[in-house]
Formats: sequence, structure tokens, C-alpha cells
Amino acid sequence: DAGVTQSPTHLIKTRGQQVTLRCSPISGHKSVSWYQQVLGQGPQFIFQYYEKEERGRGNFPDRFSARQFPNYSSELNVNALLLGDSALYLCASSPGVRGQFFGPGTRLTVL
Amino acid sequence: AQSVTQLDSHVSVSEGTPVLLRCNYSSSYSPSLFWYVQHPNKGLQLLLKYTSAATLVKGINGFEAEFKKSETSFHLTKPSAHMSDAAEYFCVVTINFGNEKLTFGTGTRLTIIP
Repeated sequence: DAGVTQSPTHLIKTRGQQVTLRCSPISGHKSVSWYQQVLGQGPQFIFQYYEKEERGRGNFPDRFSARQFPNYSSELNVNALLLGDSALYLCASSPGVRGQFFGPGTRLTVL
Repeated sequence: AQSVTQLDSHVSVSEGTPVLLRCNYSSSYSPSLFWYVQHPNKGLQLLLKYTSAATLVKGINGFEAEFKKSETSFHLTKPSAHMSDAAEYFCVVTINFGNEKLTFGTGTRLTIIP
């Protein structure tokens, strides 16, 4: 079975631009979560979606938004990019019991 | 609120010797606890999880962890280190009240000396 997939793998943007990151969960998983991992730190929770509804939101500004589609895939959008948004963005899916499975991440660099 | 503290930012052991990575947690409710491993330029892999069943949890690649409520600890151990164990390890806590927000520790970098 395929694991969690994310696209693109790497992305370079300039300050002020907008970016969309994509995630496909493991087949059968209805929950998708997004995390930001800044270099040298542990991942920080951004959002969780379950059955297309937002179940949780971390301490991130409104520039960050997300949505989940009927096929349970998800997009994370970040507007008005700042240098501090440079990070590895991780998507995780869950079958509903505790324990999440992570994708390889999207490395975002903001110049 | 919940949090985890990983007591060592960097641990070095010789190949074939035991590994101990320490984690203390704080939670207002009964927690679920996990250990994840991250190899360089790779995503996170779930090593093991504790969800209020047996307090000694066995994971993949010979790792295990023991939940000690009295000490609020969830230390990760392995009897014999292998070169392939070199990676970053994260202790993680969650309380499942409608969402599955994972709270990560700051990580412990494990180095294996040949």
C-alpha cells in the first residue's frame, strides 16, 4: 500500500507570495493533519481535518488555511509568505485510532 | 495542556551498547505517548505507541519504552545499538478530545560510534 504522499517535494518562493501544498492520505484514512518543522526543532501542529471538517487548529496566523476534499486529500495554503515560513511542512494521516503516519514532507524556502 | 521534555538533545553510544533516550511528559488528562524517528532528509516514522494498555511497549527495530505514571516518564530503550539507528528521535504526547493534535518534544539526536 502507498504511504502518505506530498507534493511538491521542494518549493522556492519569495516574500509576499502565496503557496499551496498538497497531501494524499493513506487509503482508508479519513483524518489529515499538517505540521510545520523549522530546522532544528520538533514539528508544530497547524491543522487537523476529519471528514472535511476542521477538528483542530494550532497557534498559527490566519495566513495559514487548509481544506480537505471528498477523497480525503488535503491542501495547505499560506498567503503573504514571510522568511520565517521557511520550513519542512509535514502531512500526516490517521485511521482514527491514535497514531499518525507521516509523509516525506515539502521543503519550503522563502527568499 | 500537554507537553513533553526530552532531557538530552544529543546522545552518543558505541555500536552494540544499550541506548537510552529520556522523555518526561506533562498532561492534564490520560495521555497517549509515542516515539517517532526521523532519518536525515526523511519523514517521521512511528516507532511505538502507548495508549493506556500495557505499560511496557515494544516497537519496531528492537526499541521499547516503558510508561511510568508515577515518574511521568516514557523513556526509549534498545539493548544493542546499530549504525542504522543514527537519527533524530522525537517523544510525542496527545490527549484525544476530538482532535489528534500531536505535541512534539525538541528531539534527541542519536549518534552511533563505530
